Amino acid sequence: EADIYQTPRYLVIGTGKKITLECSQTMGHDKMYWYQQDPGMELHLIHYSYGVNSTEKGDLSSESTVSRIRTEHFPLTLESARPSHTSQYLCASRPGHLNTGELFFGEGSRLTVL
Amino acid sequence: RKEVEQDPGPFNVPEGATVAFNCTYSNSASQSFFWYRQDCRKEPKLLMSVYSSGNEDGRFTAQLNRASQYISLLIRDSKLSDSATYLCVVIGGYQKVTFGTGTKLQVIP
Repeated sequence: EADIYQTPRYLVIGTGKKITLECSQTMGHDKMYWYQQDPGMELHLIHYSYGVNSTEKGDLSSESTVSRIRTEHFPLTLESARPSHTSQYLCASRPGHLNTGELFFGEGSRLTVL
Repeated sequence: RKEVEQDPGPFNVPEGATVAFNCTYSNSASQSFFWYRQDCRKEPKLLMSVYSSGNEDGRFTAQLNRASQYISLLIRDSKLSDSATYLCVVIGGYQKVTFGTGTKLQVIP
């Protein structure tokens, strides 16, 4: 079983609020990822990190920001939430070996912005 | 153009049928390739790796064609439990992991 945790699992919040979605893993994985997925739709990579103090933007333009100060922690922040941010956010990690494709996913954070 | 593209389906097939999924990727420098499976309202799970020499795991066979930038997945003797969305995954520079658009499979009794 994967040791990667996301909080909160569900969040309903008003427009304009600042939100931080937490993601932590205890596997010592270097690589971490944030994906956004609407029900029945494809996964969009929004941010990723290949190690401490490294972060990269993904393919989907996002108003969110991330940080990677510690290996195990990769929080995602929205400074001012809007209804268009309503979605499911999935965090994942994988070990540093080049050809290891297995991503370990958290259970997701389902965000609703009113 | 999306980096990783798949036919969205849905593919509706009877039990016991053989079904094939295709995937194309745009970045010729992509390094590693995989197939994932995602069930409704669940996170994606690794199904198998994809190698140029081909890779078989029971009823599942995956193939990579680097020259054509094309990946395939073949499922033989389809089971009801195979119903899911199948995602092609490509790992590129800086360990960027990109999921394809996904192909939905529905196996019918």
